[in-house]
Amino acid sequence: QVQLQESGPGLVKPSETLSLTCTVSGGSVSSGSYYWSWIRQPPGKGLEWIGYIYYSGSTNYNPSLKSRVTISVETSKNQFSLKLNSVTAADTAVYYCARAPHSGYDFDYWGQGTLVTVSS
Amino acid sequence: DIQMTQSPSSVSASVGDRVTITCRASQDIANWLAWYQQKPGKAPKFLIYAASSLQSGVPSRFSGSGSGTDFTLTISSLQPEDFATYYCQQANSFPLTFGGGTKVEIK
Repeated sequence: QVQLQESGPGLVKPSETLSLTCTVSGGSVSSGSYYWSWIRQPPGKGLEWIGYIYYSGSTNYNPSLKSRVTISVETSKNQFSLKLNSVTAADTAVYYCARAPHSGYDFDYWGQGTLVTVSS
Repeated sequence: DIQMTQSPSSVSASVGDRVTITCRASQDIANWLAWYQQKPGKAPKFLIYAASSLQSGVPSRFSGSGSGTDFTLTISSLQPEDFATYYCQQANSFPLTFGGGTKVEIK
């Protein structure tokens, strides 16, 4: 059974960089069969796809966030990470990591999510 | 970007009712559509892919249909554990986008 677990600071100051890590167990980020994504959900609102990374390191980002986002993969630790810079209060959200099969860009396994609040 | 519009935004129903949720895409997405169920404080759960294929372990009372721009999620006989918010997601093109959600509430 694949499990994903997000970790990182729950509070980030405005203009600083949000950094989160997703640790995968029961599966491998080195598998060519999956994309590894970040998705966020502001409190009380809907879901927004942030971007994905493939084991090779290739990435695809949401254009609305592309200038501020970096997703990277650490195969030796079976982890992938999100960095979002120059954050504002609008970036306050629950951040999920998720897995998408290579056969289709939908999300079959999700982490439990982690709330990141942007506030001074 | 492809806009996904769900209706209704909320529905009140009773246990045993048949519930239908609609999702409309702003352009043709063939059958590249997924459905998720989300309960408060929890991550979304994957229900349906390719518009009508049931994910393993999902009860058969859930079904999906549609292609092109119009899709539906049907719960044939609502159970207590089905009260939740449901989201559609298009998997046809980037950026991947979700509908605004439909909350299924207890009548």
